[in-house]
Amino acid sequence: DGGITQSPKYLFRKEGQNVTLSCEQNLNHDAMYWYRQDPGQGLRLIYYSQIVNDFQKGDIAEGYSVSREKKESFPLTVTSAQKNPTAFYLCASAGGLASYGYTFGSGTRLTVV
Amino acid sequence: QKEVEQNSGPLSVPEGAIASLNCTYSDRGSQSFFWYRQYSGKSPELIMFIYSNGDKEDGRFTAQLNKASQYVSLLIRDSQPSDSATYLCAVLANDYKLSFGAGTTVTVRA
Repeated sequence: DGGITQSPKYLFRKEGQNVTLSCEQNLNHDAMYWYRQDPGQGLRLIYYSQIVNDFQKGDIAEGYSVSREKKESFPLTVTSAQKNPTAFYLCASAGGLASYGYTFGSGTRLTVV
Repeated sequence: QKEVEQNSGPLSVPEGAIASLNCTYSDRGSQSFFWYRQYSGKSPELIMFIYSNGDKEDGRFTAQLNKASQYVSLLIRDSQPSDSATYLCAVLANDYKLSFGAGTTVTVRA
């Protein structure tokens, strides 16, 4: 079945640690996106990539980094520079210039301990 | 001014009633409009999209678009407890990225 997979489902980070969230899709979509959602809030764009080996900052990129070495994969690293990383992280992908919208993964809930 | 604005809610409707959700957008050049449903603790799932002015019906859901007024709405007929969720309005911009509203939380009471 085609879809988009995020792992892990839950992640705990200690102060000062970098952590990487995985996002893999087998939908043959060109574009991939990372969003952050805080309780009771909407989606805020962190980074996006519309083609392999290229990515752009979104609205809240500070403290995050990404790579897009393969079409299927778009991992997000939450660095120690991100001072308030506790949130629900959503990865999405889109084909056809996003004219049919995004497909979302199931999300990763990151908590600082 | 926010790009996509929704009534924040919460919206409480009795079972069997019609739930009406509204969304306005600022980019007059937007061409594609989407409604996502998000259950608590889950990821958003696409329930409707609309490109042309007028109404589009899919089961108990009807999306309405008025580009002149920059307004898109979602009607949920015969509301069920399983419709209790947050509904996100999204608009596709010319840079092929979706802009999301903050969402409207709907509670269907039995």
